[in-house]
Amino acid sequence: SQQGEEDPQALSIQEGENATMNCSYKTSINNLQWYRQNSGRGLVHLILIRSNEREKHSGRLRVTLDTSKKSSSLLITASRAADTASYFCATAMNYGGSQGNLIFGKGTKLSVKP
Amino acid sequence: EAQVTQNPRYLITVTGKKLTVTCSQNMNHEYMSWYRQDPGLGLRQIYYSMNVEVTDKGDVPEGYKVSRKEKRNFPLILESPSPNQTSLYFCASSPGPHRANTEAFFGQGTRLTVV
Repeated sequence: SQQGEEDPQALSIQEGENATMNCSYKTSINNLQWYRQNSGRGLVHLILIRSNEREKHSGRLRVTLDTSKKSSSLLITASRAADTASYFCATAMNYGGSQGNLIFGKGTKLSVKP
Repeated sequence: EAQVTQNPRYLITVTGKKLTVTCSQNMNHEYMSWYRQDPGLGLRQIYYSMNVEVTDKGDVPEGYKVSRKEKRNFPLILESPSPNQTSLYFCASSPGPHRANTEAFFGQGTRLTVV
């Protein structure tokens, strides 16, 4: 069951620009996480935001969460060519038998041109 | 170094030939999962384990088996692989269930081709 949907599916920007990716989800969540995947490699955790938080920062990353709209955004400021990767949101629900599980979206493919 | 190790990284096999993909973590994590990643479908959970001897189905469990006899290992077994199981597989571990605000640590992936 797909919970999160990222938008856009693909994003191409120049180095130094900001990149914004959005994630929408369907059901009530406990937390939302963002992961990065370099081509065909394992996912790496970037940031976790809890359902009672609205904004979180980590280095050049800024994540917002709007539980009323069931959406989140990931902003990467001053992007670098090394940020080229796919970015996934993942939600942990707070009800039901699968409360332990993460449900991933399909990802946004970011390309940063030097 | 804290890590999740999967083996093999690449595997080409024939339909019906049983195979096992191993997964091992050195972080003493209780929670482990297997995912498959397919183009246009993102990551889908196959099976997960909350602790030793405790496993449960994810979203796409058909054609797969798992076991959790030790805390560090969580092998994925394909008893009779079919071409539709050609995919990129990831093992992940975390200290506990994700509702407890834990992050997942992923292995490097196993690219499986079934011909």
